[in-house]
Amino acid sequence: ETGVTQTPRHLVMGMTNKKSLKCEQHLGHNAMYWYKQSAKKPLELMFVYSLEERVENNSVPSRFSPECPNSSHLFLHLHTLQPEDSALYLCASSQGPGDTSTNEKLFFGSGTQLSVL
Amino acid sequence: QKEVEQDPGPLSVPEGAIVSLNCTYSNSAFQYFMWYRQYSRKGPELLMYTYSSGNKEDGRFTAQVDKSSKYISLFIRDSQPSDSATYLCAMTATYSGGGADGLTFGKGTHLIIQP
Repeated sequence: ETGVTQTPRHLVMGMTNKKSLKCEQHLGHNAMYWYKQSAKKPLELMFVYSLEERVENNSVPSRFSPECPNSSHLFLHLHTLQPEDSALYLCASSQGPGDTSTNEKLFFGSGTQLSVL
Repeated sequence: QKEVEQDPGPLSVPEGAIVSLNCTYSNSAFQYFMWYRQYSRKGPELLMYTYSSGNKEDGRFTAQVDKSSKYISLFIRDSQPSDSATYLCAMTATYSGGGADGLTFGKGTHLIIQP
């Protein structure tokens, strides 16, 4: 398998549930990201990991908890979500540290469409 | 004022037409400009990447940056139904060294090419 793979593709959960989103990249990249995409809004960066270290956390509520066990895998753990958290959650990867133009080029997965009831 | 403005559309044009998609921005520090294409139920994919002002051409696609006007454009020639998608502009000021954590996206323009 190539590229960036996200599972599950769709997820429906109640506000009291705990679930996890999974992302795997097969590109040999060193940086991974979680983005949130809501209707009529720009992509919102949630978390950035570079060489498995979290380098950015954009004031995301604590009900979202990321985990990056290695440079190929990224998880987003969800608990006690709110209906307004319903959105498409996108994982992305990029080359990572260095000073080449490839660093800023993101490769996205197909996303997990999350519905919170 | 939002950092990046992009008309969400939808923009509907007949097959074969030239399409012009645009973004304006307010941060004069932006130097790297990208266009992503997103098909329904898919993640965005990088389409064009340009640095500073000028034009870049790739097949039927041309990206244009006018930093003096803080305005970027994507032109699609001989548009095809398969070009129907949402097009997102993105931009950043500098290489962070840690990846694209500084990208600012527009909302995306939904483009429909009518057969």
